[in-house]
Formats: sequence, structure tokens, C-alpha cells
Amino acid sequence: GEDVEQSLFLSVREGDSSVINCTYTDSSSTYLYWYKQEPGAGLQLLTYIFSNMDMKQDQRLTVLLNKKDKHLSLRIADTQTGDSAIYFCAEISAGNMLTFGGGTRLMVKP
Amino acid sequence: DGGITQSPKYLFRKEGQNVTLSCEQNLNHDAMYWYRQDPGQGLRLIYYSQIVNDFQKGDIAEGYSVSREKKESFPLTVTSAQKNPTAFYLCASTARGGLNEKLFFGSGTQLSVL
Repeated sequence: GEDVEQSLFLSVREGDSSVINCTYTDSSSTYLYWYKQEPGAGLQLLTYIFSNMDMKQDQRLTVLLNKKDKHLSLRIADTQTGDSAIYFCAEISAGNMLTFGGGTRLMVKP
Repeated sequence: DGGITQSPKYLFRKEGQNVTLSCEQNLNHDAMYWYRQDPGQGLRLIYYSQIVNDFQKGDIAEGYSVSREKKESFPLTVTSAQKNPTAFYLCASTARGGLNEKLFFGSGTQLSVL
């Protein structure tokens, strides 16, 4: 079945780059997403990438997709304390439904 | 402002009690979803509805029920059959039900058992 995996935790210093990784299993996924969740809140779509793309850049965010290895990453440049949150990757799986990873908690130290 | 409103923010359930979580959207979205979030786990789909008066079970529908009598409303009832209801519940919607559309989320309801 579909399974999306992420590491649980990442800690960086303010101003450094953060790289959050994700592996997925459904090779037929058409879109892959990154969502951000702040404490006690819903998820906010950060960015997404179409499966025929290798990279997408949006201001401080860079998404890299390695379709051969089914590996997705989110790089946040110049990480700020306001970036502290849980980040979820998600893929569209069979039946056109979203499957979410378990989330990576990013902690940014001043 | 347009968006999705979930209420209440916090809810407590006694043993054997049914409770209903509210989800209302004024985005004119056709499709609505309920997810359950447990610590350290991804979101799991409970129920979804792509059109009024129709809904489908997700991956973990047992112990839950929904209705979709109006386009803007998709309430979730956690029944007494759900033996482990403590979780954070998130409602979401999209315009046409295809997930290449942006998924909008409410701010969630934390349900706890007394």
C-alpha cells in the first residue's frame, strides 16, 4: 500500500538552511505537496510539485524531486524562528486521495 | 473573509456519549474531508464528500458518522463505538474534489475523553 515516510525531528540554528526529507511509494503520484502546521492549527499548503518536474523554487523554499528514488525534499533557506512548525509531505495516491507522511517537527534555535 | 470554521476548539467526551464536531466553509467548495491526527502520525482520512447528499468512507471510518445536507456544512459525529477518540480532528475542503486543487484546512478540534 501507499506509505509516506519522514524523519520525526530536525533542529537548526536561525539563519542556516533546513532540509526536510520525504520518501513515498506510489510511483503514479502526479502531485506531491508540502504542508506546514503551526501549534494547535490546521495545515497550510506551502508548495507543491508536479511529478514531471525535478525542482521548484518559491522564494526561500526549494523543492527537489527524485522520481527514480521516490524522494522529495524541502529546503528552507535562511531559516527563521517563525519557520518552527511541523512539516508534512503528501502524495496523491490511488483513488485520487492524499496520503500524508507523519510530519517532521522543525525547531529553529536563535 | 472566506475560510473553514471548525468548532469547538476543544471538546470533551464522556464514556458512551456521542459528540458532534462542526465544520462550515464559505468558500463554495464542492468537496469536504475529515482527517484525524494523532501525535507523530500523519493525517488519516475518516470520511469525505464530493457533493451534497453524498459521502464516502475513508481509511478509518469505523466509529464515526457524517452528513452533507448543505454544501457549506459537513459535521462529524464521533459515536460511542469509537473506543479511542482522543485526537486532533481536521476538516478540509477543495473546489472540485480533485486533489491537484489546493486543500484548505480548518484550525482543528481537539477531542479528549473524560
